[in-house]
Amino acid sequence: KAGVTQTPRYLIKTRGQQVTLSCSPISGHRSVSWYQQTPGQGLQFLFEYFSETQRNKGNFPGRFSGRQFSNSRSEMNVSTLELGDSALYLCASSSLGSSDEQFFGPGTRLTVL
Amino acid sequence: GENVEQHPSTLSVQEGDSAVIKCTYSDSASNYFPWYKQELGKRPQLIIDIRSNVGEKKDQRIAVTLNKTAKHFSLHITETQPEDSAVYFCAARRGGAGTALIFGKGTTLSVSS
Repeated sequence: KAGVTQTPRYLIKTRGQQVTLSCSPISGHRSVSWYQQTPGQGLQFLFEYFSETQRNKGNFPGRFSGRQFSNSRSEMNVSTLELGDSALYLCASSSLGSSDEQFFGPGTRLTVL
Repeated sequence: GENVEQHPSTLSVQEGDSAVIKCTYSDSASNYFPWYKQELGKRPQLIIDIRSNVGEKKDQRIAVTLNKTAKHFSLHITETQPEDSAVYFCAARRGGAGTALIFGKGTTLSVSS
């Protein structure tokens, strides 16, 4: 099976702009979670989607949002970008039921100038 | 919500020595505890996990122990090799809370030959 893929791999934006990141889970996986990784804070949970519904949300401002499509692909959006949003954004997919393991994508490196 | 503390933040060992990384969690409802290894520039990958109904689990040179009463779990790597050098993250997941993982801030392990 193909692994989790994320696009784009790199993004450079300026403050105030918005950005959309995409994640395609492993075929058959219906759960997609998003994480923000920064050197100081490690991996922080953003939100989880399952069957097109947000099931869990972390402690991030409302500027961070997401959605999931019927084919389980997911997007996250960050509006009004701030310098502090510069990070590696990772998504992870899980099959649920057969295994607890979350499989991570390669991430999208977002730089906000 | 859940909080996971991880220690130490950096660990340097000689090849062949053992390495131990410790994590504590706050939510007694957490029941799944994975460990991820992230090499430089790569995505996190699961190396071992344990569920709350098990006290210890081994996989070749890697073992994880769980003390539910004290709410802490540890990763043990024996006979370390240079290729074990990476950042290791522990995580916890609350039962019935989907697949969202709360991560510790990571331990950078350096194995010198």
